[in-house]
Amino acid sequence: DQQVKQNSPSLSVQEGRISILNCDYTNSMFDYFLWYKKYPAEGPTFLISISSIKDKNEDGRFTVFLNKSAKHLSLHIVPSQPGDSAVYFCAATPMIYNQGGKLIFGQGTELSVKP
Amino acid sequence: NAGVTQTPKFQVLKTGQSMTLQCAQDMNHEYMSWYRQDPGMGLRLIHYSVGAGITDQGEVPNGYNVSRSTTEDFPLRLLSAAPSQTSVYFCASSYLYTGVEAFFGQGTRLTVV
Repeated sequence: DQQVKQNSPSLSVQEGRISILNCDYTNSMFDYFLWYKKYPAEGPTFLISISSIKDKNEDGRFTVFLNKSAKHLSLHIVPSQPGDSAVYFCAATPMIYNQGGKLIFGQGTELSVKP
Repeated sequence: NAGVTQTPKFQVLKTGQSMTLQCAQDMNHEYMSWYRQDPGMGLRLIHYSVGAGITDQGEVPNGYNVSRSTTEDFPLRLLSAAPSQTSVYFCASSYLYTGVEAFFGQGTRLTVV
């Protein structure tokens, strides 16, 4: 049973436009969410996170939105750049004792930003 | 700081062979974990540890063993390799609580023939 789902395996966007990557989760115990970016032949690197007490978090061109009632989060990249082309993973975790590092990942979305 | 270091980067095994994937971190993180990445499956948690001497199973633990004798090291053992264990393996570490941002190693690409 996939607790974190990214239903779009791939997304293609023109440079300068907005990229929107979506993620759904089913476990109500999840209360901290992260996005990771992965280039080929490298490990995932942390991008941005949000806790369940917020509905939005921004970091430069990257904004994550959380809709708890819908159990849905999204990552917005504005403006998109060719260097953003990578696989993006959504991850979730419950922030309780001994479980804080236990990340559950989605399947990933491969973003391609075309010049 | 080296961060999270995984060795080897590539490995080919024959079915039935055993091997150990090494993982070391120099950030004094309490939490360490192993994931495998397969096409269309994302990263799935194999085993994790919240500190030296404490380990627990993740989503896909069968066929793998771990131990944590020091804070820095968290090796993953394949006892009898099977073709289904062909995958890319990532080790990660993090603090237990604040931010829970996990740092990942570069990965080990394992092929079992």
